[in-house]
Amino acid sequence: NAGVTQTPKFRVLKTGQSMTLLCAQDMNHEYMYWYRQDPGMGLRLIHYSVGEGTTAKGEVPDGYNVSRLKKQNFLLGLESAAPSQTSVYFCASSSHRDRGNEQYFGPGTRLTVT
Amino acid sequence: GQQLNQSPQSMFIQEGEDVSMNCTSSSIFNTWLWYKQDPGEGPVLLIALYKAGELTSNGRLTAQFGITRKDSFLNISASIPSDVGIYFCAGQNAGGTSYGKLTFGQGTILTVHP
Repeated sequence: NAGVTQTPKFRVLKTGQSMTLLCAQDMNHEYMYWYRQDPGMGLRLIHYSVGEGTTAKGEVPDGYNVSRLKKQNFLLGLESAAPSQTSVYFCASSSHRDRGNEQYFGPGTRLTVT
Repeated sequence: GQQLNQSPQSMFIQEGEDVSMNCTSSSIFNTWLWYKQDPGEGPVLLIALYKAGELTSNGRLTAQFGITRKDSFLNISASIPSDVGIYFCAGQNAGGTSYGKLTFGQGTILTVHP
């Protein structure tokens, strides 16, 4: 059981370039999330998905798009990267439970935009 | 929106000392989660709390869900060097249309001197 995996681990982009970050989970979780982490800002939700084929905006969605074509995968796209998108990106997943949704995180992708 | 204040922002302690940190919210949560993040890694779930007043332990870690549902506390007893890292609290309103979204504190950076 690999849990939540993310690719790539590191990436450097020039301003205006595009890229896609891939998140995969093998826990059969319904919910998946993309966060960004910046110094002093904690973790902020970019987009999330409550099931295959569905996505929704989080706290800081501008400049990002997502897709969830398969239940186990959640893709985060940057169409035209900007230096403000330099950050560490984390994917997480959780199962649907009324009691509380414990989110499990991937190892992160460190993105630098120059 | 909901905000979490986590304190202290950082702690420098000697090995063997006990540690306490807390989170307070401007609104009510019905689930509290505590995570630890090691350098270069993703957050790892330490303890989950689902009921006001609940006290839960995980080895040397003990966390409590405040009676008012607006706060939570994490204690680490007899600290060791591997306790070094960033500790995050996260509040959640599970069920309904919340889709398990978490609100994170800014984190407490813990340094343990041998």
